[in-house]
Amino acid sequence: DIQMTQSPSSLSASVGDRVTITCRASQSISSYLNWYQQKPGKAPKLLIYAASSLQSGVPSRFSGSGSGTDFTLTISSLQPEDFATYYCQQSYSTLLFTFGPGTKVDIK
Amino acid sequence: QVQLVQSGAEVKKPGASVKVSCKASGYTFTSYDINWVRQATGQGLEWMGWMNPNSGNTGYAQKFQGRVTMTRNTSISTAYMELSSLRSEDTAVYYCARGSLWLQRYTLFDYWGQGTLVTVSS
Repeated sequence: DIQMTQSPSSLSASVGDRVTITCRASQSISSYLNWYQQKPGKAPKLLIYAASSLQSGVPSRFSGSGSGTDFTLTISSLQPEDFATYYCQQSYSTLLFTFGPGTKVDIK
Repeated sequence: QVQLVQSGAEVKKPGASVKVSCKASGYTFTSYDINWVRQATGQGLEWMGWMNPNSGNTGYAQKFQGRVTMTRNTSISTAYMELSSLRSEDTAVYYCARGSLWLQRYTLFDYWGQGTLVTVSS
């Protein structure tokens, strides 16, 4: 099975900060990597798919990069509504769409 | 607009089964897979399996093989996830999510249901 890890597990940041979250796969997954945002009590929301494609309606301050085993999600200028937990997900193996453990972004 | 509306919260005893529904609207139900993802309180997301509403074909995570069954009723655009032999560790919010395919290669979960809390307690 493909294992996904994320770092950091949590971070504190201020409005306006540039934030970078890293996701690593246990084997190469090419660009089969999605990013989701989840706020407390809500369903996850798709932000980025295929490693770097921005989902319709998602602000352009969100961007994704990477391929193979190492990926990043960047928020160029953190906004109050961006405080949430972020999950990566691999879609390389359709037998198990593994999610990463999540990165919680909270207010410094 | 695309919507996935799930059934309400359930409380079950250990050993029982639960069946959660997910009613789709705003798109052609048989054109997109439905996936099920669960989340225990304070924990991360765990993918359980997928179902093709057109064919009825399914694929389950090995962890849930033998305990989970995903079905559908195309006449009412509704998918179902049944989990049997429930134990306390199955207490979680269960989500359905539409699986879209981009460029015929990349699977993404673009619409999600609101979640259904299943509590397993004696």
